[in-house]
Amino acid sequence: GAVVSQHPSRVICKSGTSVKIECRSLDFQATTMFWYRQFPKQSLMLMATSNEGSKATYEQGVEKDKFLINHASLTLSTLTVTSAHPEDSSFYICSARDALGGTIYFGEGSWLTVV
Amino acid sequence: AQSVAQPEDQVNVAEGNPLTVKCTYSVSGNPYLFWYVQYPNRGLQFLLKYITGDNLVKGSYGFEAEFNKSQTSFHLKKPSALVSDSALYFCAVRPYGGATNKLIFGTGTLLAVQP
Repeated sequence: GAVVSQHPSRVICKSGTSVKIECRSLDFQATTMFWYRQFPKQSLMLMATSNEGSKATYEQGVEKDKFLINHASLTLSTLTVTSAHPEDSSFYICSARDALGGTIYFGEGSWLTVV
Repeated sequence: AQSVAQPEDQVNVAEGNPLTVKCTYSVSGNPYLFWYVQYPNRGLQFLLKYITGDNLVKGSYGFEAEFNKSQTSFHLKKPSALVSDSALYFCAVRPYGGATNKLIFGTGTLLAVQP
């Protein structure tokens, strides 16, 4: 099946620094990618929708200047957490919509710990 | 408001017995329906989807789901549960014709299969 690669799987950073998470669709083109945040034992919270070649659409309450999203190609979207704080520590998951079939596939997730 | 409900936080079943994980939805129009499974500290894996056609959809790992339009349900089923099926299961819906292709997730159901 289709694969979405997310990197890094785990990252630890210091407060005030920025960290970038990559999401790649490996065997299909994804005009749309999504970024989620998941808290322990909870469902996924959609943060933003990333469209190739255009600005991301952020959900209400998500700071676009803090969570920078870039979707520069049909196979790559990045999420940059700027000026990270400990409360940003979470599990971040990306997904990509297969432009041909419409199915949405998920990455393996990235654990961010801000110390 | 559009929503997905998974009424059971946890489902317990003995290995070898049939399992059902319930999902109901409330969206306008004809939705696309999905089931995903999440193992601990991992991303979501696609199991199956319903778009149109036969109401009984077969997916990965022996799972199947039945779309019932009159009851607005899309319950996940498996004839014989395995211990390895123990995981968190998410039902999701994408409203047909939705402008953003967003998935609306249920809150998840933890499936525990006892040996």
